[in-house]
Amino acid sequence: DQQVKQNSPSLSVQEGRISILNCDYTNSMFDYFLWYKKYPAEGPTFLISISSIKDKNEDGRFTVFLNKSAKHLSLHIVPSQPGDSAVYFCAARYNTDKLIFGTGTRLQVFP
Amino acid sequence: NAGVMQNPRHLVRRRGQEARLRCSPMKGHSHVYWYRQLPEEGLKFMVYLQKENIIDESGMPKERFSAEFPKEGPSILRIQQVVRGDSAAYFCASSQETSTGYLYEQYFGPGTRLTVT
Repeated sequence: DQQVKQNSPSLSVQEGRISILNCDYTNSMFDYFLWYKKYPAEGPTFLISISSIKDKNEDGRFTVFLNKSAKHLSLHIVPSQPGDSAVYFCAARYNTDKLIFGTGTRLQVFP
Repeated sequence: NAGVMQNPRHLVRRRGQEARLRCSPMKGHSHVYWYRQLPEEGLKFMVYLQKENIIDESGMPKERFSAEFPKEGPSILRIQQVVRGDSAAYFCASSQETSTGYLYEQYFGPGTRLTVT
């Protein structure tokens, strides 16, 4: 049972444009959502998070939007840079416990 | 402040041998999590520990796998009698707790890549 879903396995965006990565979840008990970025042969790096009591959180070029009624969140990166090319994982948690990860979206930013 | 440390980074074991993976959390972090990533998949939760206590092991296989986080020293994930299906990347994460009991984000180590031949 995949409680956190990233339905797009890959995304290709031109440098300078906006990248939008999507994530859907099924468990309404989740109270905190996170995005991680992962390069090959490295551990995931925390990017940005959002509490379920908010609908938007912004940090520099990264903005996360949460739509609780749709059980959907998205990560916007603008402007996209070649160094953003990586696999992005959406994760959710509840009860300050374990993280449930999506399967990831591979972002490629080309010049 | 050093990040989460994991060793070894790469581990090769023959079927039937034991694998021991170590994780040192970030300074000040008392919560440790282990995750496993199979090829082309996301990370799957295995176990959550605090010092000397297993809090949640719902993601751990019932047999051959065990984890500990002693009062002194790193957290250890032990896999006995490894099989080819255990080949994966194993990641450790740590987090710290606020005075009100809330947990901050989990920070991950670089992982241990286990190959079973």
